[in-house]
Amino acid sequence: TQLLEQSPQFLSIQEGENLTVYCNSSSVFSSLQWYRQEPGEGPVLLVTVVTGGEVKKLKRLTFQFGDARKDSSLHITAAQPGDTGLYLCAGGEGSSNTGKLIFGQGTTLQVKP
Amino acid sequence: NAGVTQTPKFRILKIGQSMTLQCTQDMNHNYMYWYRQDPGMGLKLIYYSVGAGITDKGEVPNGYNVSRSTTEDFPLRLELAAPSQTSVYFCASNRRPGQGGIEAFFGQGTRLTVV
Repeated sequence: TQLLEQSPQFLSIQEGENLTVYCNSSSVFSSLQWYRQEPGEGPVLLVTVVTGGEVKKLKRLTFQFGDARKDSSLHITAAQPGDTGLYLCAGGEGSSNTGKLIFGQGTTLQVKP
Repeated sequence: NAGVTQTPKFRILKIGQSMTLQCTQDMNHNYMYWYRQDPGMGLKLIYYSVGAGITDKGEVPNGYNVSRSTTEDFPLRLELAAPSQTSVYFCASNRRPGQGGIEAFFGQGTRLTVV
């Protein structure tokens, strides 16, 4: 069974600070997705990484896929209150021709003004 | 742009009652999924479908059933509701996975409480 361990589970920081969220597994994933979820809403896709070592940037957010495609990280530079939310990593299961996703437990981020 | 639409948004059920959670998408996606989300547990896959007439179990299928008679609709049926089924349920859809990974679109969720 493939598992994704996400850390930390909770993060409370001041506006302007930097942070990193980690997503780790002992299994290889065909792709790794990062989602952001607001209260009362469904997850919204931020980025997909598919190649080992791949780095993608989305404004102040930097996403990295590990060389062995077993882990990923999300780094936020100069966090803002608008970044507050639940961040979820999700790996494409197995060969992933079914599109099934394995989710981490999530990281609740609070950015205080 | 409706995307994935779930109804109802909230529901309270008594133990032993049954209900159907509705999910419809207008993106012509063949692939559809039902997940449940419990606090601190991420999302767990209940059932999925790769096309009309095809369904399969996910990680936590017990107590649920699905059907897929059309591309657009993927209802989730709860028979004999139990307190353990108290959760937030999300329906999702995507195109056939390819080289670009999996771009899943989620509905707004159904918050179900079983008392």
